[in-house]
Amino acid sequence: GNSVTQMEGPVTLSEEAFLTINCTYTATGYPSLFWYVQYPGEGLQLLLKATKADDKGSNKGFEATYRKETTSFHLEKGSVQVSDSAVYFCALVSGSARQLTFGSGTQLTVLP
Amino acid sequence: NAGVTQTPKFQVLKTGQSMTLQCAQDMNHNSMYWYRQDPGMGLRLIYYSASEGTTDKGEVPNGYNVSRLNKREFSLRLESAAPSQTSVYFCASTDNYEQYFGPGTRLTVT
Repeated sequence: GNSVTQMEGPVTLSEEAFLTINCTYTATGYPSLFWYVQYPGEGLQLLLKATKADDKGSNKGFEATYRKETTSFHLEKGSVQVSDSAVYFCALVSGSARQLTFGSGTQLTVLP
Repeated sequence: NAGVTQTPKFQVLKTGQSMTLQCAQDMNHNSMYWYRQDPGMGLRLIYYSASEGTTDKGEVPNGYNVSRLNKREFSLRLESAAPSQTSVYFCASTDNYEQYFGPGTRLTVT
């Protein structure tokens, strides 16, 4: 079956630091990969996605590249802000049912 | 544009009580989903509905039932609540790869 493994948190960084959150996956076929973000008290929002190997998804300064050879989709941001404090979920969808498989989430706290 | 709405936002139940969580979307999406979120476990799929008139079990369906009332509405029912069902419940909908989530219902079963 499908699975997503995310770097364990929590992660605490100072403002303007570099962020990496690791994500690796196991899936049948050719999955599409996603990063979702959950701000406190809210539902999940799609942050970025990549639908095929070597695609780079990007949004709001965040980037992630679909690496088929290492089955990875690591999230990066060059300079984090306090407003980036949230929980980040890596996820994949594979097959026609469009069912998302989520990682366990990584709590990010950015200090001023 | 409201997106995905859920009611109630908070609920406290006693063991053995029943309740229905409501979800509605106004994006004309075909597929709808119910997830539960527990600390350290990400989101787990309870049930989904690929289209109006169909429902299927997800990863953790035991203790739950669902109804796809029409294209807009997808409800989740707990017939006899148990403390293990204390969680945050999210509804989502999609017509492609991007799922849109509601704000969640925080349920406590004592």
